[in-house]
Amino acid sequence: EAQVTQNPRYLITVTGKKLTVTCSQNMNHEYMSWYRQDPGLGLRQIYYSMNVEVTDKGDVPEGYKVSRKEKRNFPLILESPSPNQTSLYFCASSLGGLQETQYFGPGTRLLVL
Amino acid sequence: SQQGEEDPQALSIQEGENATMNCSYKTSINNLQWYRQNSGRGLVHLILIRSNEREKHSGRLRVTLDTSKKSSSLLITASRAADTASYFCATDVVEEGQKLVFGQGTRLTINP
Repeated sequence: EAQVTQNPRYLITVTGKKLTVTCSQNMNHEYMSWYRQDPGLGLRQIYYSMNVEVTDKGDVPEGYKVSRKEKRNFPLILESPSPNQTSLYFCASSLGGLQETQYFGPGTRLLVL
Repeated sequence: SQQGEEDPQALSIQEGENATMNCSYKTSINNLQWYRQNSGRGLVHLILIRSNEREKHSGRLRVTLDTSKKSSSLLITASRAADTASYFCATDVVEEGQKLVFGQGTRLTINP
C-alpha cells in the first residue's frame, strides 16, 4: 500500500532532550516536506527536500534540522526541544514537487514539557 | 508567511445543502490545491487547479480560480455528514521556490 508513515505517533518529552521523528514513504517520491499545525495558525512548512541531499528551509525552520540521506526517509530532528515546539507534525511527499498531489502522513503529536 | 486565507472560518449547514468556501492569497502562484482534514488526522488531497485554469470539477467538488482577484472557491454540492471536516487551500509561492503555504482552514459541519 502506497503510504507515508511517521513514528512515533505520540510523544511526550522534556525541554532539551533531543528527539527525532521519522518519516518514510514507499512511493519513490522525490519531494518530501515537514509541517507543523497549531490552532489558529494552520499548517506551516518547516523544511522541504527536493531530492537526496537537497534540503531547504520552509517558513518556520528555527529549532529544527532535517536530513535526506535516502530517497524514502526524511527525519525531523529537534536538537533541544522547547515548549513552543509542542505541536502536531505532518510529513508529506509528492512525486515531483508542488505541481503534484501531496501525500500526508498520519501526524505526530508532540508535547514538550 | 501565511499566504492563503479561508473564508468563512467555520460553516455549518444541513445535509443536502451546498457548501462554499473561499480562499484568498497574496502573491503569484503556479497552482492552488484544496485539502480536507478530518479531526486531527492527515490531510487528504482533493483537487489541484493550475494558474491557467479557471474551473475544475471532481465528483461533487467544483473549484474556481480567479488569478486577477487572487482568490479561489471550493463548492461541495449535495453535502453529506461525511463531508464534515476542515478544508484548507494551499498555494505554491512563485518567488519562493518549492514552498507550499497553507491557509488557516474552514471548519465545515454538516448537520443531519
